[in-house]
Amino acid sequence: AQTVTQSQPEMSVQEAETVTLSCTYDTSESDYYLFWYKQPPSRQMILVIRQEAYKQQNATENRFSVNFQKAAKSFSLKISDSQLGDAAMYFCAYRSKETSGSRLTFGEGTQLTVNP
Amino acid sequence: KAGVTQTPRYLIKTRGQQVTLSCSPISGHRSVSWYQQTPGQGLQFLFEYFSETQRNKGNFPGRFSGRQFSNSRSEMNVSTLELGDSALYLCASRPNQGKSPKTQYFGPGTRLLVL
Repeated sequence: AQTVTQSQPEMSVQEAETVTLSCTYDTSESDYYLFWYKQPPSRQMILVIRQEAYKQQNATENRFSVNFQKAAKSFSLKISDSQLGDAAMYFCAYRSKETSGSRLTFGEGTQLTVNP
Repeated sequence: KAGVTQTPRYLIKTRGQQVTLSCSPISGHRSVSWYQQTPGQGLQFLFEYFSETQRNKGNFPGRFSGRQFSNSRSEMNVSTLELGDSALYLCASRPNQGKSPKTQYFGPGTRLLVL
């Protein structure tokens, strides 16, 4: 079974600064997807960024980028030029590509605070 | 396109009762998954439906069940409610099943409180 670990329960950053959220995972599979989801106080889960394991290039979406280290099974999220609207709970998630289905395995989450 | 919708948004029940939650996926999405979110256990996968068939099931007791209709709308039912069933129940839809990288999109959730 796959597991996802987020070792930082809480993080804070100053507005306009950069912050990195950590995620590690454990799997015996060689091909899979990794995601970062954001959950603001409204509780709506919003996709931030996704990465396919076979792609060596790190995914980037505007101010959000990942550092995907497959051998180390690490998948960190970097948020540049942090904005107040980035404050939320961030979840790292894993989805198998070797089996059909949509099942996501989530980490425990990291609560991000953005200070003005 | 309209997003994933869930009804009701809030629900209060008492122990021993049963509850049915509804999820309408994004138009064209055929896969619907359900998750339970609690402060203690985090986000846990309940089950997934595709074309009216349950494809995957998480580690939950048989009191938790679901179904999917021909229009892809899904319902989940919890019978004999326990205090520990108090949670946010999230539904997510995806265009198709299989190994597509297409992403799941989540609804706003139904917050269930069991007294």
